[in-house]
Amino acid sequence: AQSVTQLDSQVPVFEEAPVELRCNYSSSVSVYLFWYVQYPNQGLQLLLKYLSGSTLVKSINGFEAEFNKSQTSFHLRKPSVHISDTAEYFCAVTRSGYSTLTFGKGTMLLVSP
Amino acid sequence: KAGVTQTPRYLIKTRGQQVTLSCSPISGHRSVSWYQQTPGQGLQFLFEYFSETQRNKGNFPGRFSGRQFSNSRSEMNVSTLELGDSALYLCASSLVVDNSPLHFGNGTRLTVT
Repeated sequence: AQSVTQLDSQVPVFEEAPVELRCNYSSSVSVYLFWYVQYPNQGLQLLLKYLSGSTLVKSINGFEAEFNKSQTSFHLRKPSVHISDTAEYFCAVTRSGYSTLTFGKGTMLLVSP
Repeated sequence: KAGVTQTPRYLIKTRGQQVTLSCSPISGHRSVSWYQQTPGQGLQFLFEYFSETQRNKGNFPGRFSGRQFSNSRSEMNVSTLELGDSALYLCASSLVVDNSPLHFGNGTRLTVT
């Protein structure tokens, strides 16, 4: 079975500051990793995914995450956040050949002016 | 292309009643999954359907059931509602079962009183 740990339940940050949201996973088999974002009263939106290939993946809105197999991590980073990035971010894992996701508890990113 | 559509958006039910939630996947998506989201437990997998067959099931009691129709639309049913069933129920669809990213709807907010 897989598990995901998001150590920070809340991360407050000022606008234009850099941010890192941490995600560690546990699995005995090959995995695929995802970051989803949830805005208030909405469902989850896929932010970025790692399936194979380059360990650094990027989203269209400036977020990036790096798959680190040795540290079993998939941390999400953004060099400069905006107020509109305020949302809850979920890290998720699935094993190869499956689509069922195991989610972390989520990290609330709070961006203030 | 229309996204995943869930109806209704909000529901209020009384303990002991039963409820049916509906999900229309993105056109062409044949896999539909359901997740329960609560503040305490986070996002938990309920079940997954592909071509009208249940492919995978999470650790929920038998009061939770689902089905998928030939047009890939899906419904989930919860019988004998309990207060603890109050949650946001999210439906997600994907193109094929293996490793395709899940696309989520905005959910149905169920409140049990």
